[in-house]
Amino acid sequence: SQQGEEDPQALSIQEGENATMNCSYKTSINNLQWYRQNSGRGLVHLILIRSNEREKHSGRLRVTLDTSKKSSSLLITASRAADTASYFCATEPSKGIQGAQKLVFGQGTRLTINP
Amino acid sequence: DVKVTQSSRYLVKRTGEKVFLECVQDMDHENMFWYRQDPGLGLRLIYFSYDVKMKEKGDIPEGYSVSREKKERFSLILESASTNQTSMYLCASSEPTGEKLFFGSGTQLSVL
Repeated sequence: SQQGEEDPQALSIQEGENATMNCSYKTSINNLQWYRQNSGRGLVHLILIRSNEREKHSGRLRVTLDTSKKSSSLLITASRAADTASYFCATEPSKGIQGAQKLVFGQGTRLTINP
Repeated sequence: DVKVTQSSRYLVKRTGEKVFLECVQDMDHENMFWYRQDPGLGLRLIYFSYDVKMKEKGDIPEGYSVSREKKERFSLILESASTNQTSMYLCASSEPTGEKLFFGSGTQLSVL
């Protein structure tokens, strides 16, 4: 079942601008994570925010979480051409399987940074 | 750095063939996962394993099986490949109490 849904599906901006992507989910969660995928490659973990956190920063990344609205946003500031990739949110349901977390991924946002 | 290695980047097989996709991780992780990724559908969990010889079905296990004989290796098996199994297959691993996944580079499988 699809839990996280990213919005927009595609985003194209100029280098140096900020990029904002949103994620909505349906059930209660332990945490929400963001991953990046360069074309044709595996996913790379970017940042994790727990259900009791509201905002988190890592370098040029800022993630917010609103559990009342079941939504999150990822902000990339001062974008660079190398940020061109697909970005996925993934949620860990709070009633997950013991012994192994079972992340549920959204469909992703395709971000293009134009030089 | 954690390394998750998938044996093939690209694979072309015929309908009905038995297909093995291999994944090896070098960080002694307990948990290993197989996902498939399709345009418009995102990543969907096929199977996962939280210990040697243990396996659990994910969301779309039909047509697949897995094997985990050693901690570092998790194999995905397509018993009789079909064209609707053409997809990108992604292997991942994590620590037992870890929260983030480490992914391999993926195998693009085409079934003709």
